[in-house]
Amino acid sequence: KQEVTQIPAALSVPEGENLVLNCSFTDSAIYNLQWFRQDPGKGLTSLLLIQSSQREQTSGRLNASLDKSSGRSTLYIAASQPGDSATYLCAVMVSGGSNYKLTFGKGTLLTVNP
Amino acid sequence: ETGVTQSPTHLIKTRGQQVTLRCSSQSGHNTVSWYQQALGQGPQFIFQYYREEENGRGNFPPRFSGLQFPNYSSELNVNALELDDSALYLCASSLEISGNEQFFGPGTRLTVL
Repeated sequence: KQEVTQIPAALSVPEGENLVLNCSFTDSAIYNLQWFRQDPGKGLTSLLLIQSSQREQTSGRLNASLDKSSGRSTLYIAASQPGDSATYLCAVMVSGGSNYKLTFGKGTLLTVNP
Repeated sequence: ETGVTQSPTHLIKTRGQQVTLRCSSQSGHNTVSWYQQALGQGPQFIFQYYREEENGRGNFPPRFSGLQFPNYSSELNVNALELDDSALYLCASSLEISGNEQFFGPGTRLTVL
């Protein structure tokens, strides 16, 4: 059974700091890995998707890496801003026979202080 | 191109009642997956529908059921509501049952009193 763990559970940093969020998964047989942002009481906003054959993806100040063999991914946020404050979720897509489903971690709650 | 939409945004029910949540998939997408997100947790897979047939489900009891219509929109029905059913319900659509990206709707917040 695939399990996804995110460390740390919560992180508080001053504005302008670079930071790294970690995600690990137990089964390397994944199709892709996705990072999401979730604001309080809201739905999911997709940030980056990395296919299983890729090593990293970049979008603006965000960079996500994937090491499938070791079951790890990191989300790097450069020059953090108060607007980056949110919960960040990592999810891996796995096959459950005929279906393809996402297995999520519990998230990292990020607070960026002005 | 219209994204994934869900209705209603919020609703409040009492224990034992039944509820129906609705999802319209993104244009051209024929696969819909439903997830439940309890407070402080990551979303959990409920089930997936492909071309009007259930195509796998997670660890949820039979009182969670669904439908998919010819236009690929979908419903999630929950019978005999329990307090623990209070959660954010998310639907996601994708193209075909493959490892393609799933696109999420804004969710429906269900509160069971």
